[in-house]
Amino acid sequence: AAGVIQSPRHLIKEKRETATLKCYPIPRHDTVYWYQQGPGQDPQFLISFYEKMQSDKGSIPDRFSAQQFSDYHSELNMSSLELGDSALYFCASSLDIYGYTFGSGTRLTVV
Amino acid sequence: DAKTTQPPSMDCAEGRAANLPCNHSTISGNEYVYWYRQIHSQGPQYIIHGLKNNETNEMASLIITEDRKSSTLILPHATLRDTAVYYCIVKKGGIQGAQKLVFGQGTRLTINP
Repeated sequence: AAGVIQSPRHLIKEKRETATLKCYPIPRHDTVYWYQQGPGQDPQFLISFYEKMQSDKGSIPDRFSAQQFSDYHSELNMSSLELGDSALYFCASSLDIYGYTFGSGTRLTVV
Repeated sequence: DAKTTQPPSMDCAEGRAANLPCNHSTISGNEYVYWYRQIHSQGPQYIIHGLKNNETNEMASLIITEDRKSSTLILPHATLRDTAVYYCIVKKGGIQGAQKLVFGQGTRLTINP
């Protein structure tokens, strides 16, 4: 069965650079969630989209933005990267209130 | 959404049943109990969820007390691959599109050979 696809799997950026993470949800899933997980931390909710509209917002820095496109894939854009942005970034998709499927994540390292 | 309390860590011998408790004393009538787990650096994985009744699937069983203030996730025959952080999450049902999962501390379960 198709899963949630995230790209790239690993990304190394320098401070003050920009990064774009991509998420391809399971086909027919209409909601996408983004999470950030720092070293030794629990996943923290960043932002979600339902039917291409932002549906909820968590602790997402102003330097970050995201959107969901007409094909339901989503992109998380991060600018002016800081060392503290180094983390695992997970995307999840769902179709109903029960089934949330997470991707394998993107490991971002800021040097 | 109601808060949950879980022990920070637990150990279990391989082949034995692992019983992971979760307290959610402020749960309300329309809130479900979900369990997810995260194996090291992988994406969280759905295990099971329930509202009132006990539930069982191929991965685990979920026992919810009659007053719904606590629950127990049971892995009937734990294997080394079950070593992970287990999250108990309480969430309302309702309108799709605003249903984020909020991860708390979780229980770090270690299965020992």
